[in-house]
Amino acid sequence: EAGVAQSPRYKIIEKRQSVAFWCNPISGHATLYWYQQILGQGPKLLIQFQNNGVVDDSQLPKDRFSAERLKGVDSTLKIQPAKLEDSAVYLCASSASGLRSYNEQFFGPGTRLTVL
Amino acid sequence: AQSVTQPDIHITVSEGASLELRCNYSYGATPYLFWYVQSPGQGLQLLLKYFSGDTLVQGIKGFEAEFKRSQSSFNLRKPTVHWSDAAEYFCAVGAMVAAGNKLTFGGGTRVLVKP
Repeated sequence: EAGVAQSPRYKIIEKRQSVAFWCNPISGHATLYWYQQILGQGPKLLIQFQNNGVVDDSQLPKDRFSAERLKGVDSTLKIQPAKLEDSAVYLCASSASGLRSYNEQFFGPGTRLTVL
Repeated sequence: AQSVTQPDIHITVSEGASLELRCNYSYGATPYLFWYVQSPGQGLQLLLKYFSGDTLVQGIKGFEAEFKRSQSSFNLRKPTVHWSDAAEYFCAVGAMVAAGNKLTFGGGTRVLVKP
C-alpha cells in the first residue's frame, strides 16, 4: 500500500514570495491533516479536512496561509506571502474517518521550507 | 484540552547502555498514546502505540513503553542502545473530539549516542 506522498521535498524562497505544497493521502483515507514543525519543536496542527470540508483550522494563520482539498483526495497548502518565521517542515498526514473511533494517522516525508 | 510534556530536551547515552525517555500527558478520558522517531531530514516513523489492553507495549527497533494511568505517563525504553538510535523522539496523545481525531505532540527529546 502506498504511503502519504508529498512534494516538493525541499523548497527555498525569499520572504514575501509565495509557495505551495502538495499532499496525496493514502487511498481511501477521509481525513487529511497539515502540520507545521518548526526546528526543535513538535509538529503543530494547522488544518484538518474531513473529505473536502474543513473541520479544524483554528491554528492556521489565515492572513497568509490557505489550504484546499477540492475533490476530497489530494490537498494543497499555500503560503502567500511567506515570512522568515514560516521556515519549517510541513507534514501531511492522513487517517481513516475518525468520527466514531480513533484512527491512527500516517505521515508523509514532509516538505522542508527555508525562507531567506 | 490534551497536552504532552517531554521533560528532557536532550539525552546523551553511551552505545550499549539502556535508554528511557519520559512522557507525561494531560487528558480527561482514556488516551491513545504514541511514540514517534524522527531522524535528521526524515519524516515521522511510528515506534509504538497504546490504545487499550496490556499496559506494556512492544514496538519496532527493540523499543517498549509502559502506560501508567496513575502517573499520567507513557515512558519509552530500550535496553541496549545502538548508534542508529540517535534521533529525535516525540510522544503524542490522540483524542476523539467533536471535529474528529486530534493528535497533540510533545516538544521532543533529542537523543545523542556516544561511541
